[in-house]
Amino acid sequence: DGGITQSPKYLFRKEGQNVTLSCEQNLNHDAMYWYRQDPGQGLRLIYYSQIVNDFQKGDIAEGYSVSREKKESFPLTVTSAQKNPTAFYLCASTRWAGPLYGYTFGSGTRLTVV
Amino acid sequence: AQKITQTQPGMFVQEKEAVTLDCTYDTSDQSYGLFWYKQPSSGEMIFLIYQGSYDEQNATEGRYSLNFQKARKSANLVISASQLGDSAMYFCAMRIPAGGNQFYFGTGTSLTVIP
Repeated sequence: DGGITQSPKYLFRKEGQNVTLSCEQNLNHDAMYWYRQDPGQGLRLIYYSQIVNDFQKGDIAEGYSVSREKKESFPLTVTSAQKNPTAFYLCASTRWAGPLYGYTFGSGTRLTVV
Repeated sequence: AQKITQTQPGMFVQEKEAVTLDCTYDTSDQSYGLFWYKQPSSGEMIFLIYQGSYDEQNATEGRYSLNFQKARKSANLVISASQLGDSAMYFCAMRIPAGGNQFYFGTGTSLTVIP
């Protein structure tokens, strides 16, 4: 079955460490997105990518980096510059064209700073 | 400017009753799509229902229906015959093809179904 796989489900980061969250999709979707969700709040866009080797900053890109070397993969690195990284991270994908297509979401990664 | 507004941070409903979750949107584009997602405590986002701006009939998917009032720019979700498993966060979202094909999410409504 097609879908999006995020790993790991839970991740613990020490102060000053970079960590990478994985997001892989086999839906042949063009566009991929990373969102951050804090407790009791909505989704905030970190980065998105419409095509391979291209990506754009979202509303809260500072302290994060991404790459899109393959259509299927869009990993997110949370760098040490991100001062408050504890949150729930959701990856999503969709076909790029038209309003008819919604997001397919991964199951999320819960990141905690220890 | 906020594109999607959900004014109900929390809602309670008795089991087997119907409930309406409010959503208003703001856009001057003629072509757009409206979506509702459910987020249970596990965190995954589950697609519930979709309404296109050119659709004249309200969308329905099982116990879910979308009350689309284009002139009022509202896209309320109606859940009929609530079940305990409906307790979750519900997000309204809009996709606009123009200007970057962005998705806009509301802040969500927490629904609790009471036995």
